[in-house]
Amino acid sequence: DTEVTQTPKHLVMGMTNKKSLKCEQHMGHRAMYWYKQKAKKPPELMFVYSYEKLSINESVPSRFSPECPNSSLLNLHLHALQPEDSALYLCASSQDEDRYYGYTFGSGTRLTVV
Amino acid sequence: SQQGEEDPQALSIQEGENATMNCSYKTSINNLQWYRQNSGRGLVHLILIRSNEREKHSGRLRVTLDTSKKSSSLLITASRAADTASYFCATDAKDAGNMLTFGGGTRLMVKP
Repeated sequence: DTEVTQTPKHLVMGMTNKKSLKCEQHMGHRAMYWYKQKAKKPPELMFVYSYEKLSINESVPSRFSPECPNSSLLNLHLHALQPEDSALYLCASSQDEDRYYGYTFGSGTRLTVV
Repeated sequence: SQQGEEDPQALSIQEGENATMNCSYKTSINNLQWYRQNSGRGLVHLILIRSNEREKHSGRLRVTLDTSKKSSSLLITASRAADTASYFCATDAKDAGNMLTFGGGTRLMVKP
């Protein structure tokens, strides 16, 4: 299995809702990432998990809460989002110590906050 | 934050022509990577070039890296309509931990 699977593919949520984005990989990668991408912009890093521990938080608002239950799963819990949080949320994974193979990205979750 | 700048922002060519995209960055790097993204989908890793490499090939792709100028280029030869996509360079910076920082991207359109 050489894929990163993200669910759901599309999500519409109200500003008072609580929802979660899920990401799964079975490549044995020990680093996993959340990126946010607005239309016609590059992906921006949100969080990095290395060996199931949060190693980088790029000053993301607390209404985004990441969780890494095990080495294959990464969640992003969403609460009290704003319309400007609408974006494509991308999950990626990589072999942590080996910097020579690039990242594998999922297809993303298209989030709309209404 | 955005590490790299890409040039041009948009490029339109005919099928069969070559496409060249450039990327400049600011800090010392471990490696530089190129990704393709089709219309709001996930990114696909194309090629990775290490800081001690100057040129790399993969099929119709050729990547160069000039660390003295902090720049890279991606050449797609004999382009096809299916190459229409956005192309991003991304840098794995030294002393920055596990984080890949993307440039602004080039939107390539290949007309049949």
